[in-house]
Amino acid sequence: QVQLVQSGAEVEKPGASVKVSCKASGYTFSDYHIHWVRQAPGQGLEWIGILKASGDVTFYAQKFQGRVTMTRDTSSSTAYMELSSVTSEDTAVYYCARELPSAFYFDYWGQGTLVTVSS
Amino acid sequence: QSALTQPASVSGSPGQSITISCTGTSSDVGAYYFVSWYQQHPGQAPKVVIYGVSNRPSGISNRFSGSKSGNTASLTISGLQPEDEADYYCCSYTNRYTYVFGSGTKVTVL
Repeated sequence: QVQLVQSGAEVEKPGASVKVSCKASGYTFSDYHIHWVRQAPGQGLEWIGILKASGDVTFYAQKFQGRVTMTRDTSSSTAYMELSSVTSEDTAVYYCARELPSAFYFDYWGQGTLVTVSS
Repeated sequence: QSALTQPASVSGSPGQSITISCTGTSSDVGAYYFVSWYQQHPGQAPKVVIYGVSNRPSGISNRFSGSKSGNTASLTISGLQPEDEADYYCCSYTNRYTYVFGSGTKVTVL
């Protein structure tokens, strides 16, 4: 069965970088786009960006451009999202989700990773 | 990119129908038939209930239906059941592989 299993909770200080992983199983990893979405405590969902199935193309929401990097390791079927220069406003649960190319929706989601930014 | 506009809350009694609206612009909801809806129970990851404006994924009850008119998409839940109580988010493709979510709607089953 399809699974996206994310790394554990992180606590970071303001100004640091955080890297979250998302390990895929149950399907051909390189056949699907991977998206990242976050949800601040008590707030709604916010789309961060996409790493396309080709593995070499990314698109990020404007507010994260320059601060986010999405990569993947096909040998381990793992996607990564790194966010730099974090502040308390980056405290949120970060989700990965997959999209079949040209489907334009997210059919499977990871369980979420809580990132807490605190001094 | 501003979030799509949804009502903060909608409620209904068991068996009733409710509709959640999702208002965007001519650059997102109005431009594409790529609106999806996600159900999220507390402490859980979102789950897709509608994609492509009106399509239901396998395993989703036919009590869930979607539509779109102009810049506004809608999700209707008919025959409301206690397990439908959750937060619901719309999402639209915008352009150049970017997406925007709605502000979210809390559905309460009275």
